[in-house]
Amino acid sequence: DTGVSQNPRHKITKRGQNVTFRCDPISEHNRLYWYRQTLGQGPEFLTYFQNEAQLEKSRLLSDRFSAERPKGSFSTLEIQRTEQGDSAMYLCASSLDQQETQYFGPGTRLLVL
Amino acid sequence: TQLLEQSPQFLSIQEGENLTVYCNSSSVFSSLQWYRQEPGEGPVLLVTVVTGGEVKKLKRLTFQFGDARKDSSLHITAAQPGDTGLYLCAGSKSWGKLQFGAGTQVVVTP
Repeated sequence: DTGVSQNPRHKITKRGQNVTFRCDPISEHNRLYWYRQTLGQGPEFLTYFQNEAQLEKSRLLSDRFSAERPKGSFSTLEIQRTEQGDSAMYLCASSLDQQETQYFGPGTRLLVL
Repeated sequence: TQLLEQSPQFLSIQEGENLTVYCNSSSVFSSLQWYRQEPGEGPVLLVTVVTGGEVKKLKRLTFQFGDARKDSSLHITAAQPGDTGLYLCAGSKSWGKLQFGAGTQVVVTP
């Protein structure tokens, strides 16, 4: 399967702990996006990369959140000092340059106790 | 607050019936995507529409993009239980990020 993959699929952590999620995009895709989805809502944009450059960050991305895409391939999203309000599904998507169709991974569901 | 408003929020129908889901906004989008999402999974792309007035058909699903590129609709003919899911519309204003509606939960019972 050459789709977008995300790991882990589920993460349970205690408040105050740090967590890191990984996203592997479709191999030829230059753009990579992170979204967050809470229950009963559609996904909300967090940030996106073109190759290794982070081009835009949402106001939702507080200073506890950091995302990287060091070699322009996989990306990581780290949340420091997690809070209960961080509990959500974190979705990764990728797309080709110059195209707007985004293909999503299965998501990482985070539960902060 | 979602920039795109979807209606209805929830729809329950019998197998064989038709249904329409609406996606409205006051903003103009360069393209609009429809996705279907199953519980615990990521959204799966159904279609992308880019031209005002465009109509696309995907088997029993018909998608329309409004002339002004501010709204869209999804029509399902003769719904089947496999059509059950959360239908999401998402608009793009050309720089890549998608703005989603809150979704319409569709349940098709046998």
